[in-house]
Amino acid sequence: ELKVEQNPLFLSMQEGKNYTIYCNYSTTSDRLYWYRQDPGKSLESLFVLLSNGAVKQEGRLMASLDTKARLSTLHITAAVHDLSATYFCAVSMEYGNKLVFGAGTILRVKS
Amino acid sequence: DGGITQSPKYLFRKEGQNVTLSCEQNLNHDAMYWYRQDPGQGLRLIYYSQIVNDFQKGDIAEGYSVSREKKESFPLTVTSAQKNPTAFYLCASRYRPRSTDTQYFGPGTRLTVL
Repeated sequence: ELKVEQNPLFLSMQEGKNYTIYCNYSTTSDRLYWYRQDPGKSLESLFVLLSNGAVKQEGRLMASLDTKARLSTLHITAAVHDLSATYFCAVSMEYGNKLVFGAGTILRVKS
Repeated sequence: DGGITQSPKYLFRKEGQNVTLSCEQNLNHDAMYWYRQDPGQGLRLIYYSQIVNDFQKGDIAEGYSVSREKKESFPLTVTSAQKNPTAFYLCASRYRPRSTDTQYFGPGTRLTVL
């Protein structure tokens, strides 16, 4: 059974600081996704990572994938308040049809 | 505008009642999905469909049923057999079922059992 663990589960940051969210998974997977969720809202796709060593960046967020370590990271650079949200990683089985989600990381950026 | 719509936004149900949640997409996506989200947790897959008239169980299908008679529509019925149905339900769709495409999510339906 595929298990996905995120840490930390809660992260309070000061504006301008850097931090990393970690996503570990237990078995081989064919791709990994990162999503953002604002309170009471739906999920917004951020990144899809397909292969070992993949790195994607959008603004202050950068995601990477190490399939050998079964680890993905979401790095936040110079955090701003607008990044406050819950971030989920989701690991794919069956070509992206079965996603197993982590519990989510609640990020609060304080000014 | 293309997108995924879910209705209703809020739904209240008495114990013992079946309810149906609507999910419609006009993105011409082949694959559709239903997830459940409980407070403070990630999403869990209930059912998914890769093509019209076909669907597969996800990790928590017990107490739920679906149909896929049209490409655009994938309704979810929460039956009285579902013991703890209060949750946030999210529908998603994807252009091609076996691809690198990402899943796009609808706005969700919040179901409360009274």
